Amino acid sequence: QVQLVESGGGVVQPGGSLRLSCAASGFTFSSYGMHWVRQAPGKGLEWVAFIRYDGSNKYYADSVKGRFTISRDNSKNTLYLQMNSLRAEDTAVYYCAKRSGTAIDYWGQGTLVTVSS
Amino acid sequence: DVVMTQSPLSLPVTLGQPASISCRSSQSLVHSDGNTYLNWFQQRPGQSPRRLIYKVSNRDSGVPDRFSGSGSGTDFTLKISRVEAEDVGVYYCMQGTHWPPRLTFGGGTKVEIK
Repeated sequence: QVQLVESGGGVVQPGGSLRLSCAASGFTFSSYGMHWVRQAPGKGLEWVAFIRYDGSNKYYADSVKGRFTISRDNSKNTLYLQMNSLRAEDTAVYYCAKRSGTAIDYWGQGTLVTVSS
Repeated sequence: DVVMTQSPLSLPVTLGQPASISCRSSQSLVHSDGNTYLNWFQQRPGQSPRRLIYKVSNRDSGVPDRFSGSGSGTDFTLKISRVEAEDVGVYYCMQGTHWPPRLTFGGGTKVEIK
């Protein structure tokens, strides 16, 4: 079955950096685009970024463009999100999610990022 | 950008009674390929989201048939025919028609038991 396991979350100071990872299994990772979606505490879902199956195309939400970078290593079945210049408003649970057509079908369990001094 | 608006924000329901959630988009969700990419997700307390419905009315595997989706163009509805205790959570609609460059979620509807 599809499994997506995020890691790398934690507490970071404003202006700091963090790299999230998402280990995928149960499907052919190299054949699917992948998303990052976040959820601030007590709030709704916000799409963050997408990367095509081969890494050739990437899209970002305006709120993170220029600060976050999505990447993948198909040899390791792993998705990444490099987050720089972090702000308090980036505090959220970050989910990786598998693309299905123009949507999402499977989600990971999420990893919490807290930006605080 | 497409804006997705859900109503109500909160929906108290009696066990065994029906529930209905509305989702409206600021633009038509009919894709140039003829499909309408409107999805519904359920997020139970403390859990990750789970997809229930894709392309307006198609139930995902394992989703009980008490859940149904309908609608067209800009107006969509998720219905639960008879609410059960396990249905408590927040429900989100999401459009994939105007993607790329971005996916858009509704603000969520919290279903709770009266």
